[in-house]
Amino acid sequence: QKEVEQDPGPLSVPEGAIVSLNCTYSNSAFQYFMWYRQYSRKGPELLMYTYSSGNKEDGRFTAQVDKSSKYISLFIRDSQPSDSATYLCAMSANAGGTSYGKLTFGQGTILTVHP
Amino acid sequence: DAGVTQSPTHLIKTRGQQVTLRCSPKSGHDTVSWYQQALGQGPQFIFQYYEEEERQRGNFPDRFSGHQFPNYSSELNVNALLLGDSALYLCASSLGGDTQYFGPGTRLTVL
Repeated sequence: QKEVEQDPGPLSVPEGAIVSLNCTYSNSAFQYFMWYRQYSRKGPELLMYTYSSGNKEDGRFTAQVDKSSKYISLFIRDSQPSDSATYLCAMSANAGGTSYGKLTFGQGTILTVHP
Repeated sequence: DAGVTQSPTHLIKTRGQQVTLRCSPKSGHDTVSWYQQALGQGPQFIFQYYEEEERQRGNFPDRFSGHQFPNYSSELNVNALLLGDSALYLCASSLGGDTQYFGPGTRLTVL
């Protein structure tokens, strides 16, 4: 079983739709949760960063973490064609009292927003 | 302010050869991590360098090795290349344990 599971999609939605992307995880040591966006043939770009459970909002993006269910989500409101990309969830554990360490990624969800 | 840079952009090698990939971290960052991303998959952690030492390592064989220089730049070396090593190799930099920022990657093809 993979430590982080993410529905690979692909997901195709019309412009203006609300998009929901999700990941589940099995390692209860994960404390830091991130969402990255990756355009074709580019490196991942950090979108959202959250620590522990709760919600965090940034413009059209909302990240949600439920540690009791080991489940995280990213919501995109008013989706735009420019949001078409692969979305990767990533997590890290708190190692040795610091937050350094490896990121464990999901498989990525391919999103297409059509006009 | 330049972000994370990687070179080369693309590389083609044959099985059994050795390859060296390079990474310059974002200005002010002192930690470099390397990831391998196979087509259609999420990145997999290879190792992380801090203060010129390998601080943490993922589940990769010893054929994968690295180095960090005093200016915080880093190299990833892969020996005895296999077809399965074909992937996008990503470098990420951070300041200590803070958020990791990724470079554009080096696409390695092994024939």
